[in-house]
Amino acid sequence: GDSVTQMEGPVTLSEEAFLTINCTYTATGYPSLFWYVQYPGEGLQLLLKATKADDKGSNKGFEATYRKETTSFHLEKGSVQVSDSAVYFCALSEEDFGNEKLTFGTGTRLTIIP
Amino acid sequence: GAVVSQHPSWVICKSGTSVKIECRSLDFQATTMFWYRQFPKQSLMLMATSNEGSKATYEQGVEKDKFLINHASLTLSTLTVTSAHPEDSSFYICSANTGTTYYEQYFGPGTRLTVT
Repeated sequence: GDSVTQMEGPVTLSEEAFLTINCTYTATGYPSLFWYVQYPGEGLQLLLKATKADDKGSNKGFEATYRKETTSFHLEKGSVQVSDSAVYFCALSEEDFGNEKLTFGTGTRLTIIP
Repeated sequence: GAVVSQHPSWVICKSGTSVKIECRSLDFQATTMFWYRQFPKQSLMLMATSNEGSKATYEQGVEKDKFLINHASLTLSTLTVTSAHPEDSSFYICSANTGTTYYEQYFGPGTRLTVT
């Protein structure tokens, strides 16, 4: 079945550091890929997405590129801020009209130190 | 933005009792609601999908009689854990969407259930 593997956390960085959170996936077909973020005390929310190979999703300074050859969707940000402290989930979903569902990774907790 | 609330945020119950968790979409009508379960240091696992006014669709391995889901209105879904046991202790998360795109799910903050 489908699965998502994320780098284990927690990850602690200083403000303005470069961020990479690794995500690789296993899927039988051609999935869509997502990053969700959960800020303290809130529910998960969609951060960015990519629906086909070589697509780059971006939002709030975060980027991730759909790499089919390496089955990866790593999340990056050039300069993190304290407000980026949150838990980040990588997820995928395969096209199955009427039966789409999300498969999540375990989440990576990110803490940014001023 | 779209907000989904859950109540309670934390509940302790005794083994053998039942507990109900509510999921509400506060500022939009939710065509579909999803219930997830998350164990410590593990990913969210989809338990069931429910559409307003119809029976929930449960994922393989999820006991329908154990986890009762009701989606009686476009803004409210409930999950009832019946005859709870310690192994049912977990973090339960609901999400909702308007049915336009399946990945545009708005998540609640979760409910931690502890069964003693």
